[in-house]
Amino acid sequence: GAGVSQSPSNKVTEKGKDVELRCDPISGHTALYWYRQSLGQGLEFLIYFQGNSAPDKSGLPSDRFSAERTGGSVSTLTIQRTQQEDSAVYLCASSLDPVGIRAFFGQGTRLTVV
Amino acid sequence: GENVEQHPSTLSVQEGDSAVIKCTYSDSASNYFPWYKQELGKGPQLIIDIRSNVGEKKDQRIAVTLNKTAKHFSLHITETQPEDSAVYFCAASSTGTASKLTFGTGTRLQVTL
Repeated sequence: GAGVSQSPSNKVTEKGKDVELRCDPISGHTALYWYRQSLGQGLEFLIYFQGNSAPDKSGLPSDRFSAERTGGSVSTLTIQRTQQEDSAVYLCASSLDPVGIRAFFGQGTRLTVV
Repeated sequence: GENVEQHPSTLSVQEGDSAVIKCTYSDSASNYFPWYKQELGKGPQLIIDIRSNVGEKKDQRIAVTLNKTAKHFSLHITETQPEDSAVYFCAASSTGTASKLTFGTGTRLQVTL
């Protein structure tokens, strides 16, 4: 596609439920990143994919968070047993390759845990 | 790891004036410095970037300067317009296998008429 696409754009879930957030990167981009942006805050790195593997998962806050990428394209971020502190905008970005090349962001998924 | 500090947190300028946002970074190995503009309800949009082998880069009304010795870089917007109002983030990329971006905390720019 023309840009990074994320779905859903908004998600409201009850505390304790699992959620899946989807990212479709720009076609041909091998690197994919997930970031989290809490209200009024900067962007917090979560995980980075190169192809289907994740060389850096250092930003995942807890073992409730996991992500996968299949076919070197679509990525899914899963949050299990959601907590209220998980409420944030989850942003996905992709780049042609990871070595300092420009990263382009999607519009984000706003997650609200009630 | 890398730490990026950004100032000011808010900036108000009159239309037509210039705006300057400054960032410092801690990792001397960082070699890529992008700037993003984020409008309300949207994802960050890349507006300009600079690599460590360049001291300055311009794109129309926007320019970025980099001082590697002092480990700081700045965004300059000239002839500001109301549509420049947004939150601006600087970032730095540390070398290594991940090349993840470390972001500053953002500057909310308000351009008033």
